[in-house]
Order: sequence, then structure tokens, then C-alpha cells
Amino acid sequence: QQQVKQSPQSLIVQKGGISIINCAYENTAFDYFPWYQQFPGKGPALLIAIRPDVSEKKEGRFTISFNKSAKQFSLHIMDSQPGDSATYFCAASRPSNTGKLIFGQGTTLQVKP
Amino acid sequence: DAGVIQSPRHEVTEMGQEVTLRCKPISGHNSLFWYRQTMMRGLELLIYFNNNVPIDDSGMPEDRFSAKMPNASFSTLKIQPSEPRDSAVYFCASLYGAGAANEQFFGPGTRLTVL
Repeated sequence: QQQVKQSPQSLIVQKGGISIINCAYENTAFDYFPWYQQFPGKGPALLIAIRPDVSEKKEGRFTISFNKSAKQFSLHIMDSQPGDSATYFCAASRPSNTGKLIFGQGTTLQVKP
Repeated sequence: DAGVIQSPRHEVTEMGQEVTLRCKPISGHNSLFWYRQTMMRGLELLIYFNNNVPIDDSGMPEDRFSAKMPNASFSTLKIQPSEPRDSAVYFCASLYGAGAANEQFFGPGTRLTVL
């Protein structure tokens, strides 16, 4: 029940296309859902995050869609660019004062020019 | 701010040797996390501290792994004795906050190779 399942494991998209990465969770106590972006040789960095009281959050070309009843959330990258090529991790956490996150397995995105 | 600092960035050692990885969290942050990343297992949480106290070490693979946080500005992850299957990238992350809806800041990682 603590797991976050992420798919696909890898994704290849043409420049200008839409990249979609999906995550599912079981624990209904989760109340914070961030996405982290990791470039090769670097540590992950926060990209965008959502709370379950909204169904969508958009920041530039990046959008999180959240479906509370289905216990699923997804990351959409519009107008994908070669510079978006990276590994993306979804995560989830319960209310706490420690900040512990449960990470998905990661999706390696390649955007072809 | 210098961000989370990890050392060394790369470590190559032989099986059976002791390895110590070091982390300096961002000043003022009160939680610190150690992760291990491999292709097979993804990003695994090994242990985390809150206010220098270990909260959950259930992710530590076995007794060969140990972690300490003697003060708010320094933590170590030690592997003794090291084995080839310990080869991975080890990340340290820190955050400040009284709730989970806060950003974890990751260091650049230490790439460990055990021959």
C-alpha cells in the first residue's frame, strides 16, 4: 500500500509532441504528489507538485492531472523539447513533519529532434 | 546557497573495503535523506533523519550499512565491508519544513564502484 507505480519505464517522443507519464497509488492517506526531474549525472530536482484538492496544475509546458477517485496522476509535457530528455519520477507522501517521499520507479524520456 | 554537498563524487574500491560517504545538508534544513539509485531498483530510500535523529532505517539493506548524523550540518553513510552489489549512485537530500509538502533538495550524488 506504500507503493507508487509508474509507467512507462521509457518513452520516446518526437520534438513538439506530447509526453505523458502515469502513476498510480493505493494509500488514500497520501496528500502530496510531486514530480522530480533528473538529468544524467545530476540529482533529482522538483519539477511540479499537486495536492488532491485540485484536479490539474499547470506550470508552463508541464501539467499534472490528478484523478482522486481512480488514485492516479499523470505528468503531461506539451511541445516536448530535446532539453526535456531526462528521467522523471513521480512521488507521494502522507502528512508528516519529516518530508518522507515514496518514489515511483522512474521514466526515461528521450525527445528526438 | 551552495546546495547539498556530497563527497566524494566518485569512489572506486575493492570488495571488503570500508566506504564512507559524506553529506552536508543545506543550512537550516531539518530533515536529511539517504537514497541509493540503480538501474534495476530505481531510487531507494535507505534512511532518513529528522532533527539529527534517525526516524526510519528500514530501507538499509543489511548490517553492513550504517548512517550517522552527529550534528545538523553533517551526515555519513558507511558500508563495511563493501560488496560489488553495493555499486550504485548514492544521493543525499535535505529539506526544511513541518510538513511533507516541502521540496527535497538533492545533492549531486556519489557514484560508488566496488570491484
